Amino acid sequence: AQSVSQHNHHVILSEAASLELGCNYSYGGTVNLFWYVQYPGQHLQLLLKYFSGDPLVKGIKGFEAEFIKSKFSFNLRKPSVQWSDTAEYFCAVSHLRDSNYQLIWGAGTKLIIKP
Amino acid sequence: DGGITQSPKYLFRKEGQNVTLSCEQNLNHDAMYWYRQDPGQGLRLIYYSQIVNDFQKGDIAEGYSVSREKKESFPLTVTSAQKNPTAFYLCASSRRTNQPQHFGDGTRLSIL
Repeated sequence: AQSVSQHNHHVILSEAASLELGCNYSYGGTVNLFWYVQYPGQHLQLLLKYFSGDPLVKGIKGFEAEFIKSKFSFNLRKPSVQWSDTAEYFCAVSHLRDSNYQLIWGAGTKLIIKP
Repeated sequence: DGGITQSPKYLFRKEGQNVTLSCEQNLNHDAMYWYRQDPGQGLRLIYYSQIVNDFQKGDIAEGYSVSREKKESFPLTVTSAQKNPTAFYLCASSRRTNQPQHFGDGTRLSIL
């Protein structure tokens, strides 16, 4: 079965630290890649997506992610985090199966930023 | 504002009872989804629908049922056959199945 792995379930950082959250997937064909974020008390929302083209994609709030096809990875990065980045982050991978797109979700990473 | 409305926010179910969770969207999206979110497990797909009057089972459909009689509505029924229904349920929609999904605020279901 296809899977998406997020390596860290919990990450604690201080403000201004750099962030990298790992995401690896197991599907070998064409994929669309997403990072979603859930801030405390809010609904899930799209942070950024990759469909094709430049493998370095930029999202909202200074986040970016790099698609490395050879490593089946789509890691999320931010050079300097803020307290307001405290949230849960989900990686998701969409691929074609039986003529339908299937979206597979990682287990999520809870990020806590210490002020 | 366009969006997805889930109701109720909290729901309690007695043993042997069926309950229905509501999901309405005014985004004019064709596709709608129901997920179950348990701590440490991410989102697991229960059912999805690409168009009106059509839906498919997801990875954990047993004990659940859905209908899609209108484009904007995709209610989920948690039946008495679902033995572990306590969870957070999320409804989502997208323009098509390969497009980003928009989410509601969720319904938390608990067993009395």
